[in-house]
Amino acid sequence: EAQVTQNPRYLITVTGKKLTVTCSQNMNHEYMSWYRQDPGLGLRQIYYSMNVEVTDKGDVPEGYKVSRKEKRNFPLILESPSPNQTSLYFCASTKDGRYDYGYTFGSGTRLTVV
Amino acid sequence: QKEVEQDPGPLSVPEGAIVSLNCTYSNSAFQYFMWYRQYSRKGPELLMYTYSSGNKEDGRFTAQVDKSSKYISLFIRDSQPSDSATYLCAMVYDKIIFGKGTRLHILP
Repeated sequence: EAQVTQNPRYLITVTGKKLTVTCSQNMNHEYMSWYRQDPGLGLRQIYYSMNVEVTDKGDVPEGYKVSRKEKRNFPLILESPSPNQTSLYFCASTKDGRYDYGYTFGSGTRLTVV
Repeated sequence: QKEVEQDPGPLSVPEGAIVSLNCTYSNSAFQYFMWYRQYSRKGPELLMYTYSSGNKEDGRFTAQVDKSSKYISLFIRDSQPSDSATYLCAMVYDKIIFGKGTRLHILP
């Protein structure tokens, strides 16, 4: 089944403790992206990657890092999480970077930073 | 003025009714228009997309784009409880912009 897999689904952590949210897709998509979704603010792009070793900032990159060493994987790293990073995170991918093909989203990671 | 505006709802309608969901936008550069559906505790999934003014139909769903008015709509005919979800519009020029979503409840 074609899908984007995120782990973990739920995570509670403490301020300052480094964490990584993994994302993997099995569709051979070139383009991958991370979003956060907050009430009243909608989906906001954190980082995106057009292909292996190519990453770029989205609209809200502060406090986040990403890497793209393999085509299928695009982990999101929070080196020193803070409570304002409490959110619902989605990884998404699309073929050839074509938005009109539509994103395939993962099921989300609900992160709480206390 | 925000680039994409969407009423957050919630919108509650009885089963079988026709549902109309709408977004307005300000940037005339938008080329592609999409609707995503997001069930609770799930990621959004692409429902429909179109790149021109006019209507596009897929089963019970019709997407309508009026570029002159900068207005897009999604119509759901014969609505079902399984249509209860949040619906997000999305628009593309060189990047994709999502609306904040409208929560829809179909009452059995």
